Amino acid sequence: DAGITQSPRHKVTETGTPVTLRCHQTENHRYMYWYRQDPGHGLRLIHYSYGVKDTDKGEVSDGYSVSRSKTEDFLLTLESATSSQTSVYFCAISDGTNYEQYFGPGTRLTVT
Amino acid sequence: AQSVTQLGSHVSVSEGALVLLRCNYSSSVPPYLFWYVQYPNQGLQLLLKYTTGATLVKGINGFEAEFKKSETSFHLTKPSAHMSDAAEYFCAVRADNYGQNFVFGPGTRLSVLP
Repeated sequence: DAGITQSPRHKVTETGTPVTLRCHQTENHRYMYWYRQDPGHGLRLIHYSYGVKDTDKGEVSDGYSVSRSKTEDFLLTLESATSSQTSVYFCAISDGTNYEQYFGPGTRLTVT
Repeated sequence: AQSVTQLGSHVSVSEGALVLLRCNYSSSVPPYLFWYVQYPNQGLQLLLKYTTGATLVKGINGFEAEFKKSETSFHLTKPSAHMSDAAEYFCAVRADNYGQNFVFGPGTRLSVLP
């Protein structure tokens, strides 16, 4: 299994609070992604990174920001959490050579 | 923009029966196509992919899929379902011609009945 961890695995937070989710990889892969998974929508891309300090927006980036200061870490921040951001968040990595993505175990976030 | 549709949000089959999960895509670039499987409370893992070459691709756990350009389809099949195949399956397509981003379908939950 690819070495990808996500923390925390579960979090409950209140509306209006900032939240940061962490993705950590030990594979030295260039690309990292944050998705959210909601019933009926599959996975939707929030932000992605193609290198240290190189990030770009995905399909559903409003209300989210990311940072990547090291190859191994990709942080997702909800600036002011809302109930619509209740979801399961997945991190994925790719080495960029074979179009295969490897997924982390997910973080279940509940915003009350 | 690329998009993926999966016919049937939930499919039930009997153990030993044929599994057929449907995927149709819309793509303005040569499609790279993928099937991922997600077991309960886990992340996704790659089942198989089509990039170029042979249009019938074989993956793990006895699954295979055929790329049919004329039908813009990439249906997933397995001749004989096993209880362990119960999971959610996602079809995905490369989002553009130069990047490493992908668009996922909404998923199909497969139940296998004894």
